[in-house]
Amino acid sequence: GESVGLHLPTLSVQEGDNSIINCAYSNSASDYFIWYKQESGKGPQFIIDIRSNMDKRQGQRVTVLLNKTVKHLSLQIAATQPGDSAVYFCAENIQGYSTLTFGKGTMLLVSP
Amino acid sequence: GAVVSQHPSRVICKSGTSVKIECRSLDFQATTMFWYRQFPKQSLMLMATSNEGSKATYEQGVEKDKFLINHASLTLSTLTVTSAHPEDSSFYICSAPAGTSGSDTQYFGPGTRLTVL
Repeated sequence: GESVGLHLPTLSVQEGDNSIINCAYSNSASDYFIWYKQESGKGPQFIIDIRSNMDKRQGQRVTVLLNKTVKHLSLQIAATQPGDSAVYFCAENIQGYSTLTFGKGTMLLVSP
Repeated sequence: GAVVSQHPSRVICKSGTSVKIECRSLDFQATTMFWYRQFPKQSLMLMATSNEGSKATYEQGVEKDKFLINHASLTLSTLTVTSAHPEDSSFYICSAPAGTSGSDTQYFGPGTRLTVL
């Protein structure tokens, strides 16, 4: 299993700033990637996904970038708001297999 | 988006008792559901894959006799923690893919906080 620590990486930003959360994935065979937002005491909430035939996908205030060469995924949140404060997880999947593998997570703290 | 519910949202039980957690897909059918466990400040760890009409598939290190899974219908999977001990205290979350292909978006339930005294 993956090794996990007791302290999540934390990104602290001011309200209105743009936030970038990074994720390194391990399996070069993964071809579907998802970002989830998890607020305290709640289940993960789908934010945005991207398939490996794309390198960028935009949603409302969010953009996901995929760099398959270095196995790196990022989530950009524009004009970050206090309500964006949560833990963000990336997850990877291989087409044909429905199990997800989650990254360690990053806590985003947005100050007013 | 698809909605997944869990019941109960939190449960406190005595050591040695069994606890059942339900996971329901409310507006779609799910032949497969997933059960995760999450400890504080850690990521989600997949425990098992629940399959409607067949046995669950457990991840390495997860005791199938301790964590009983029953996928009773296309909208309901249950996880029973048998003879619970304090180390089983955790946040249990289920998910279900809203589709039939192998790479569908998974929707998560709100989680169940289990505290074993």
